[in-house]
Amino acid sequence: GAVVSQHPSWVICKSGTSVKIECRSLDFQATTMFWYRQFPKQSLMLMATSNEGSKATYEQGVEKDKFLINHASLTLSTLTVTSAHPEDSSFYICSARLVGTEAFFGQGTRLTVV
Amino acid sequence: AQSVAQPEDQVNVAEGNPLTVKCTYSVSGNPYLFWYVQYPNRGLQFLLKYITGDNLVKGSYGFEAEFNKSQTSFHLKKPSALVSDSALYFCAVSYPGYSSASKIIFGSGTRLSIRP
Repeated sequence: GAVVSQHPSWVICKSGTSVKIECRSLDFQATTMFWYRQFPKQSLMLMATSNEGSKATYEQGVEKDKFLINHASLTLSTLTVTSAHPEDSSFYICSARLVGTEAFFGQGTRLTVV
Repeated sequence: AQSVAQPEDQVNVAEGNPLTVKCTYSVSGNPYLFWYVQYPNRGLQFLLKYITGDNLVKGSYGFEAEFNKSQTSFHLKKPSALVSDSALYFCAVSYPGYSSASKIIFGSGTRLSIRP
């Protein structure tokens, strides 16, 4: 199947700083990517849909200014958690789909804000 | 609204016994359904999908799922469980439709525990 790679796998940052997470489709082009957030022992919550060359579409309740998404190329989407606080600590996962297929997921990024 | 429900937070099965993880869905239009598995601190791995055709879908690692339109269910099954099957399982639906831009919406997840 197609490969989606996420970087970093884990990151620890100080409160008030910003953190960037990268999501790459390694062997296919993805005009659309998706960002999810997962709390411990909970399901994946869709945060936003990342669209290449245009603005991301955010789900209700997700702060656009807190979670900045950029999809500058057909193989790369980035999620920047701005002015991070401990409550932003979570597991973030990206995914992408080919036409007519299931979604392929990155390995996830564990963010810890101290 | 499109949704997926997994009524069991946890399922415990003895190794070698059959297992079932339940899922029901609510979608408008044709349902496009998936099962994914997640191991600790990892992303999701695809198990199987139902798009159209046979109601019994076979997937990875010996898993299968039965699509039942009248009961709006898509239960995951395996004839003989392995300890290595212990993980978190998610049922999911694609909407709208089945394009590369369609969202994947997940159920709450079921933790499967297989005891030796």
